[in-house]
Amino acid sequence: AQSVTQLDSQVPVFEEAPVELRCNYSSSVSVYLFWYVQYPNQGLQLLLKYLSGSTLVKGINGFEAEFNKSQTSFHLRKPSVHISDTAEYFCAVTRGNQGGKLIFGQGTELSVKP
Amino acid sequence: DSGVTQTPKHLITATGQRVTLRCSPRSGDLSVYWYQQSLDQGLQFLIHYYNGEERAKGNILERFSAQQFPDLHSELNLSSLELGDSALYFCASSVGGNGRDTQYFGPGTRLTVL
Repeated sequence: AQSVTQLDSQVPVFEEAPVELRCNYSSSVSVYLFWYVQYPNQGLQLLLKYLSGSTLVKGINGFEAEFNKSQTSFHLRKPSVHISDTAEYFCAVTRGNQGGKLIFGQGTELSVKP
Repeated sequence: DSGVTQTPKHLITATGQRVTLRCSPRSGDLSVYWYQQSLDQGLQFLIHYYNGEERAKGNILERFSAQQFPDLHSELNLSSLELGDSALYFCASSVGGNGRDTQYFGPGTRLTVL
């Protein structure tokens, strides 16, 4: 069975500081990896995804993530956060032969303080 | 705005009742997915339809059913409702039906069962 673990349920950080949100996945086969953001009372929005190729993926709003196959990780980073980045972040995976079924982690609540 | 619409936004009903949630995918998208978000279970995949046909099922209860119509909109029917069915229900759509495709999420329907 495949699962996704987000290692931190809450991450408080000061404005303009760097942040890393950690995600590990377990799977015996190749997966596709996604990060979604959920702002309060809204649906999920894709930040970035890894399908193949370069292991460093750049997304919207200045976020990037690095795929590490040996460590089965896909951590999300931003060098300088803004108050507006306060939201819940979800790491998710799909397997190519299982269609588009997204398996989500439990989410990380990022709280950016002034 | 993702282009995916869901109605209603909020639904309050009593145990034992039946409700229907509606989703209209983005123009041109053939796949519709349903997810349930609750505090204890997190985000869980329910079911996937592609061009009117069921493609994959998650841990969807037998009391729940869905369909996708010829105009590609989808409905999720929840019957014999229990308190534990209270959750946010998201619909997502994508162009194709494989794991590489970006899923665009609607704003969700918040179901409260009293």
